Amino acid sequence: AQSVAQPEDQVNVAEGNPLTVKCTYSVSGNPYLFWYVQYPNRGLQFLLKYITGDNLVKGSYGFEAEFNKSQTSFHLKKPSALVSDSALYFCAVRESSYGGSQGNLIFGKGTKLSVKP
Amino acid sequence: DTGVSQDPRHKITKRGQNVTFRCDPISEHNRLYWYRQTLGQGPEFLTYFQNEAQLEKSRLLSDRFSAERPKGSFSTLEIQRTEQGDSAMYLCASSLGFRGAGEGNEQFFGPGTRLTVL
Repeated sequence: AQSVAQPEDQVNVAEGNPLTVKCTYSVSGNPYLFWYVQYPNRGLQFLLKYITGDNLVKGSYGFEAEFNKSQTSFHLKKPSALVSDSALYFCAVRESSYGGSQGNLIFGKGTKLSVKP
Repeated sequence: DTGVSQDPRHKITKRGQNVTFRCDPISEHNRLYWYRQTLGQGPEFLTYFQNEAQLEKSRLLSDRFSAERPKGSFSTLEIQRTEQGDSAMYLCASSLGFRGAGEGNEQFFGPGTRLTVL
């Protein structure tokens, strides 16, 4: 069964410092991996994805994520955090195999990022 | 605004009543998804349409829930005989993809409909 784990409920970072939000996944085949951000009272916004190719993917707002197949991880990173980055971050996975599920993403429980000035 | 829209944004109802939510996807997107999100949890998949065909349903989608996408454009999600456990945020998402191609395309989410069952 597919699953996603976000081991930290909350991450606290000082503005200007680097941030990392962790994500590990489990799928039987090759994964498609996604990061979404959710601001209060708003829907999820797509940040970035890994499909294939370069393990380091770059996304919106200066975020990047590194795919590590051996560790089954897809951690979200940003070199210098902003107060405006404070939000709820979700990692999601779907299996890439043709015979697998066509539809759904499997989401982690989310990590609340708090960036203090 | 050319994003995914949902209506209503908030719905308060009494237990036992029926409710219906609407989702308008991005116009060129052929895939439409419904998810449910409760406090402290990530979104959980409910159902998925490709054009007008409902191709997948989660076990979370009890027989009190029904979803339609009659013309392959907007979709409705109806909950009959609501229960307090149905209180949640209902999210709609859309994407563009075809079997074997575009499977990695990201889904674009609407703002959600927050349902409160009293």
